[in-house]
Amino acid sequence: DTGVSQNPRHKITKRGQNVTFRCDPISEHNRLYWYRQTLGQGPEFLTYFQNEAQLEKSRLLSDRFSAERPKGSFSTLEIQRTEQGDSAMYLCASSFSSGASSYEQYFGPGTRLTVT
Amino acid sequence: SQKIEQNSEALNIQEGKTATLTCNYTNYSPAYLQWYRQDPGRGPVFLLLIRENEKEKRKERLKVTFDTTLKQSLFHITASQPADTATYLCALGNQAGTALIFGKGTTLSVSS
Repeated sequence: DTGVSQNPRHKITKRGQNVTFRCDPISEHNRLYWYRQTLGQGPEFLTYFQNEAQLEKSRLLSDRFSAERPKGSFSTLEIQRTEQGDSAMYLCASSFSSGASSYEQYFGPGTRLTVT
Repeated sequence: SQKIEQNSEALNIQEGKTATLTCNYTNYSPAYLQWYRQDPGRGPVFLLLIRENEKEKRKERLKVTFDTTLKQSLFHITASQPADTATYLCALGNQAGTALIFGKGTTLSVSS
């Protein structure tokens, strides 16, 4: 088990371009979460999946953002028409939930997005 | 709206002392509370979880208390070491175990 991995680690893009990030969770984890973190702030929840179903989305997740988790394995987060305000660290986390729930979330190293 | 505050942005202590970090929250009834460590440029690393019906939990040099009446958690690192220098995040969770609500974090610096 190598933990949660995210790619790319860094992304620099021009305003208006689309970007896509990938997250590979811990293999036996059925829940996957996306958070966004800006400098000096704690992570802010964006969305989460249980298996392949997207069960919750934050109001922070504008219609320019879309996330998928096909087949309940890896997940992608796409940002369309990027804006400078999208510059942040995008964090992925995973956990295992079974009935009574297991609440610990394990985070990946993050993808640092810079929009110029 | 829900609000979570970590008492200070920065805490400086000497090696060997006990560091105590505070997490206060309002307008929320969490089912559990978690503490994470985050180093610069890296993702948070899970440290401890304490449930609403637990008063205290320990792991090696770490101790967490949870007072749901005061709406407060205290996080202690005993016999602190320079390697403990990092930002520590408090996070609240609901019964469903879905989204975590994070505080801004407290940056701990341990000097030798």
